[in-house]
Amino acid sequence: AQSVAQPEDQVNVAEGNPLTVKCTYSVSGNPYLFWYVQYPNRGLQFLLKYITGDNLVKGSYGFEAEFNKSQTSFHLKKPSALVSDSALYFCAVRDMNTDKLIFGTGTRLQVFP
Amino acid sequence: GAVVSQHPSWVICKSGTSVKIECRSLDFQATTMFWYRQFPKQSLMLMATSNEGSKATYEQGVEKDKFLINHASLTLSTLTVTSAHPEDSSFYICSANTNEKLFFGSGTQLSVL
Repeated sequence: AQSVAQPEDQVNVAEGNPLTVKCTYSVSGNPYLFWYVQYPNRGLQFLLKYITGDNLVKGSYGFEAEFNKSQTSFHLKKPSALVSDSALYFCAVRDMNTDKLIFGTGTRLQVFP
Repeated sequence: GAVVSQHPSWVICKSGTSVKIECRSLDFQATTMFWYRQFPKQSLMLMATSNEGSKATYEQGVEKDKFLINHASLTLSTLTVTSAHPEDSSFYICSANTNEKLFFGSGTQLSVL
């Protein structure tokens, strides 16, 4: 069965420092992977996706994610965090059997000034 | 844990008819719920934010007269696809937050003939 795990409930980082939000996946076949963000009182917003091609995927708001097949990971990264990046981040994988998205439990990113 | 119930799971209707989809928070109160749409092989896209006791907030490009949202109580939001057409065929999913976690309904597959 397809699944995705986000091992950290919360990540704290100082503004200006690089940030990483971790995600690992378990799929049969080639994975379709996604990152979403939810700002306070807002719906989920699409950040980026990996389907095929370059392992480093660039997305919205300066975020990028690196697909690592050997480690079955798809960590979200940003070189320099902003306070406005504070939000809930969700990793997701597409279930190829049902075509539905399977979400991780979410990681709260807190960026301190 | 918190549960979001969505009904029906799937529906087939004739072109021109209206379809109502219900989203219920079973063990918590949700002043805000979110409605998403997922096209085949595409990412989940936010359609609108449903606010209890007030008008929904629609994302750019979403027809509010086509997709009617009613959030009459703290545990129920409904999405009505009016005068459905084949291009409205899609997977619709709702979500709600509680205790800083995001919970999704199981989704509704709409097929318009």
